[in-house]
Amino acid sequence: DTAVSQTPKYLVTQMGNDKSIKCEQNLGHDTMYWYKQDSKKFLKIMFSYNNKELIINETVPNRFSPKSPDKAHLNLHINSLELGDSAVYFCASSQRGSGTAGETQYFGPGTRLLVL
Amino acid sequence: DQQVKQNSPSLSVQEGRISILNCDYTNSMFDYFLWYKKYPAEGPTFLISISSIKDKNEDGRFTVFLNKSAKHLSLHIVPSQPGDSAVYFCAASARSGGGADGLTFGKGTHLIIQP
Repeated sequence: DTAVSQTPKYLVTQMGNDKSIKCEQNLGHDTMYWYKQDSKKFLKIMFSYNNKELIINETVPNRFSPKSPDKAHLNLHINSLELGDSAVYFCASSQRGSGTAGETQYFGPGTRLLVL
Repeated sequence: DQQVKQNSPSLSVQEGRISILNCDYTNSMFDYFLWYKKYPAEGPTFLISISSIKDKNEDGRFTVFLNKSAKHLSLHIVPSQPGDSAVYFCAASARSGGGADGLTFGKGTHLIIQP
């Protein structure tokens, strides 16, 4: 009965490969997010999706692309992986998002990506 | 440019005493603040939040205080328990017209509860 789940939990891959991380939430939330926690432990927003629309796209390379097949899923595709992509990626969801500040976000357990 | 700052990387408190974690912010557009707790190899877990229209919110052993004029908030945990040992992240969001809000996080404070 995990609220926000991510797969895989660990991902080790070679530079230049293409990989995907999956995220699912069973909370019935409308908005989902991807965050990156870098080596300095900063958690930074990458994307959010609301009703299948990309809402936020921070300064993230276009090698990263979120895909949302339905409201409960937001997958992260990464092309041509680079060493600097090594980080922990967290998925999150919130009940609402359209112009509503203050919606609590609930996080998944994280995916630890290591690019060799 | 850090908009949310947690200046204490770590804090050690004796069991049973009060733990006070501090957070400062620079963006005056922030109007909602949250505290998350994180154990190693797990995702952040929501703890408590406060809207900018309030100056205090309490939930059991956890109380968050907001001082808007000083752009400062703090999390009080009393009494502190061994299970409270974790990294605590302060986060903030700003009202954005018609869009979902990503949270802006501080770097976290590692709270260690000493038996």
